[in-house]
Amino acid sequence: AQSVTQLGSRVSVSEGALVLLRCNYSSSVPPYLFWYVQYPNQGLQLLLKYTSAATLVKGINGFEAEFKKSETSFHLTKPSAHMSDAAEYFCAVSGRGNQGAQKLVFGQGTRLTINP
Amino acid sequence: SQTIHQWPATLVQPVGSPLSLECTVEGTSNPNLYWYRQAAGRGLQLLFYSVGIGQISSEVPQNLSASRPQDRQFILSSKKLLLSDSGFYLCAWSSSGGTDTQYFGPGTRLTVL
Repeated sequence: AQSVTQLGSRVSVSEGALVLLRCNYSSSVPPYLFWYVQYPNQGLQLLLKYTSAATLVKGINGFEAEFKKSETSFHLTKPSAHMSDAAEYFCAVSGRGNQGAQKLVFGQGTRLTINP
Repeated sequence: SQTIHQWPATLVQPVGSPLSLECTVEGTSNPNLYWYRQAAGRGLQLLFYSVGIGQISSEVPQNLSASRPQDRQFILSSKKLLLSDSGFYLCAWSSSGGTDTQYFGPGTRLTVL
């Protein structure tokens, strides 16, 4: 079974500062890992995903994440925060459901606030 | 390109009333389809998923049901809504060809009074 833990339900950074959102996973098989972003009253948008290729994954909007197997982590970073980055961020790990459907197990989310 | 639609966008219903939320996907064939619920201040809970017409897997026992009458249509229903059914309902699709990324619709905000 898979599980995800996002450390910190709320993170606040200043505009221009480093963004670091933490995600640790548990998986009995090699995982696929994802970061999604959700703006208020909208659906989830894929930021980036790790599928066992390069361990450093670059995504949209300047975000990137590094897969560290030894630490079972997949932390999301951005060198310089923008006001538009304020949103809820979800980390997810893939599992396998019945009949081959991929199921995603989501963390509880981290709300990112950007201070001017 | 693929697009996913949900309607209605918002819905206010009294307790005990029926529910029907619809999700459709364009630009792909035989997608895997998913229904999630997001309660206020909480994460995503997978409710149902489907790998084909008429094939529904339920994740959580509750008073909701799902149906897939057509390849790219996924419907979430209830005969009698409860207060606890309030939330943000998200539909998602993924390719049945082995890729795992899920793509989400815009969501439906349901308030049960």
